[in-house]
Formats: sequence, C-alpha cells, structure tokens
Amino acid sequence: EPEVTQTPSHQVTQMGQEVILRCVPISNHLYFYWYRQILGQKVEFLVSFYNNEISEKSEIFDDQFSVERPDGSNFTLKIRSTKLEDSAMYFCASSEGQSGEKLFFGSGTQLSVL
Amino acid sequence: QKEVEQDPGPLSVPEGAIVSLNCTYSNSAFQYFMWYRQYSRKGPELLMYTYSSGNKEDGRFTAQVDKSSKYISLFIRDSQPSDSATYLCAMRGDSSYKLIFGSGTRLLVRP
Repeated sequence: EPEVTQTPSHQVTQMGQEVILRCVPISNHLYFYWYRQILGQKVEFLVSFYNNEISEKSEIFDDQFSVERPDGSNFTLKIRSTKLEDSAMYFCASSEGQSGEKLFFGSGTQLSVL
Repeated sequence: QKEVEQDPGPLSVPEGAIVSLNCTYSNSAFQYFMWYRQYSRKGPELLMYTYSSGNKEDGRFTAQVDKSSKYISLFIRDSQPSDSATYLCAMRGDSSYKLIFGSGTRLLVRP
C-alpha cells in the first residue's frame, strides 16, 4: 500500500541551527501538508501546499519556516533558526483530491532542539 | 469554548467490548469529519471519513455525525488488544484545508 515516507526519523540540532525535514508524499497526490505535535499536545496544522505554492498556513508558520517541492517527489520543511520550542514531532501528509479530506500521514520526524 | 473537545481517557475495556469514542465541536462550518488512530510516536492513521451528517460503517468500525448536536462518534465492535491506541477526531470546513484535531482518547483493550 502506498505510504508517505519521512526522513530522518529523529533529528537533534542546536538552537539557532537550520534543519530540513524531508518527505516523499504518495505519488499521485497533489496536496501536501505539514503538521506538528508537541509532546502531550494536539496535532496542529502548519501549512498546506498545492501547485507549487502555499495554499494556507497557520500562525505558527512564521518567517522561520519555509516549504519547498524541489522535484517531482520530495516535499521539504525548512526551519531557518531553530528554537527550543520547535522541539516536536513533525508529520508530513498528502491527499489526492481537491477537497483534501482524506489525509494520509507519514510516521513523523522527531525534532529535538538543544 | 475549545473548537474540538475530546475526552483524553484513558478508556480501559475488556476484549470483545463495544467501544464508544466521542468528540464535540463548536464550529458549525465543519463539514468533513475524520477519525484517526495513532500508536505511540507514530503518525495518525486514517480510519474513517464522513462528509456532513450520517453514519458510515467499515468492518468493526462505525462513524456517526450529528451536526445538529455538533457531536461525532466512533464505535468499535468486538474490540481487540491490537485496537489499543490513541484515537483522534479531526474535522474541517469547506473553505479551509486545515484539519482541527481533538486531543485524542487513549484506549486500552485488555486481553
């Protein structure tokens, strides 16, 4: 069964460093998303991406964050200067249709900022 | 009032029991309702998806949406120890791609 894959599974970085989280969405999907889950808290939306541009973003997704689809298969989330509070599990998701109601999530990247 | 509320549990039931999981919400614009299962430190796995009101059944799982009461439910029949996980409700409106998640209910099915 097709699945969303994310790398790395764990990422440890120093505060102020840049990190790039990588995702390979399901191949025929057109809509891509990043969510995050701080330990013990809700899964929360960061950004949605369609047709090579951001379609929606949350207030969390400030200028430190950016997303890119550098080729036909990868989807990346970059955090330019990490803060302690960026420590979380980051989930990539993708969906096929215009409505985007059936989101399929990857297994996540656990980001630890020290 | 929180946008989506879900009892965090934990809910502990014996194997074979019928499990009822619920969420309430405040935004009447929500039209798409989903249930996800999440194992520890893993990504949410889509279980059920419903548009607007009504019931949907898939194997041992039944999802119900009551928009008049702003209340959604997930029923699990003949629960198994492998059903032990956290169950997340999620929903969104027509005009947004953003899924709003509940906090999750932790379910433990005892052998």
